[in-house]
Amino acid sequence: DTGVSQDPRHKITKRGQNVTFRCDPISEHNRLYWYRQTLGQGPEFLTYFQNEAQLEKSRLLSDRFSAERPKGSFSTLEIQRTEQGDSAMYLCASSPLDQPQHFGDGTRLSIL
Amino acid sequence: GEDVEQSLFLSVREGDSSVINCTYTDSSSTYLYWYKQEPGAGLQLLTYIFSNMDMKQDQRLTVLLNKKDKHLSLRIADTQTGDSAIYFCAETPTGGGNKLTFGTGTQLKVEL
Repeated sequence: DTGVSQDPRHKITKRGQNVTFRCDPISEHNRLYWYRQTLGQGPEFLTYFQNEAQLEKSRLLSDRFSAERPKGSFSTLEIQRTEQGDSAMYLCASSPLDQPQHFGDGTRLSIL
Repeated sequence: GEDVEQSLFLSVREGDSSVINCTYTDSSSTYLYWYKQEPGAGLQLLTYIFSNMDMKQDQRLTVLLNKKDKHLSLRIADTQTGDSAIYFCAETPTGGGNKLTFGTGTQLKVEL
């Protein structure tokens, strides 16, 4: 059990660029979650998958945000046309069905 | 709606007990969690309690749940400098797909 892995750990990009983050969950965890954490706040839920199905995406912050989990294993979160307000820590978590979530170390996004 | 509140800061001396408090509004919460976050890192699951329990103890950690008042607390016995971190309370509502709603976090500072 190597834990939840996120890549990259830190991403610096210019406003207007697209960015993609990857999350590798703990193997055999069928649920995968994305959260966003801004400075001084708790994580905020964005979306989650059960296997390859995206079961809730209403909390994605705008249509610039999208997530995929094509084979039910790793997941990607893409932000298109980044804005200053997208600067945050993006956290991924995974869990077996209805069990506690385990988090990765996050990807910190900085928009110049 | 879902809302979770915590006090922002707590300072204790090494060896004393720490008590971190949390209140929540969603009466349908099924599980309540405590996570720990160290600087630049993701969230580490410390413990959790099911809503039909009122106490859970795990080594130095004791969780108390008052469901009537929607109040959750985490007591850390014999607090050590390594316990310095931000502690988040979180809840999952019934039928919520296990997505977590977090408080803003309590920063615990342990002084020698």
